[in-house]
Amino acid sequence: NAGVTQTPKFRVLKTGQSMTLLCAQDMNHEYMYWYRQDPGMGLRLIHYSVGEGTTAKGEVPDGYNVSRLKKQNFLLGLESAAPSQTSVYFCASSYVELSAGGPYEQYFGPGTRLTVT
Amino acid sequence: QQPVQSPQAVILREGEDAVINCSSSKALYSVHWYRQKHGEAPVFLMILLKGGEQKGHDKISASFNEKKQQSSLYLTASQLSYSGTYFCGTELQAGTALIFGKGTTLSVSS
Repeated sequence: NAGVTQTPKFRVLKTGQSMTLLCAQDMNHEYMYWYRQDPGMGLRLIHYSVGEGTTAKGEVPDGYNVSRLKKQNFLLGLESAAPSQTSVYFCASSYVELSAGGPYEQYFGPGTRLTVT
Repeated sequence: QQPVQSPQAVILREGEDAVINCSSSKALYSVHWYRQKHGEAPVFLMILLKGGEQKGHDKISASFNEKKQQSSLYLTASQLSYSGTYFCGTELQAGTALIFGKGTTLSVSS
């Protein structure tokens, strides 16, 4: 099992450019998440998905869009990149068994370091 | 809604103990703990559910005080490998997303 993979690992964009980050998991997890991590700010949730075809906003959704067309993939898009979106982006997935207490541990991908100049 | 972690940083020598706290202003359903080493992805440590028992493995354990909406992570007889940043994630209702705190950086030296 590869677990959670993220593509690309590094990217440099110019202000106004667009890009898509791809997250893939092979664990058949229902829930998937996108976080950004900035120094001193912890992990902040951008968007998440509780199943194929569903998405929901997190704490910091502005400037990002997501899609979950297939259960194993969760895409994060930046339509018009801004320097404030320079960050490390982590994708995560988890399985859930609500009858037993909700989502279980989250498995994180290795991260994507994005720089917007 | 972001939980508050304290302290922000801890410096220890091998063998010493530490406690990291995570507090929320809202009623919690569960608290999750993760550790992240520099340049790596966060790794799961444990989950504490409302009404559940104190969890632990090896020399790391945690508790959840429902009345105070606070969780504490206990690291006893710390090892060099314990160094990293510890995050708590809080869940308000079953099946909702986690909101993480800003983290506590733990440095263990020999």
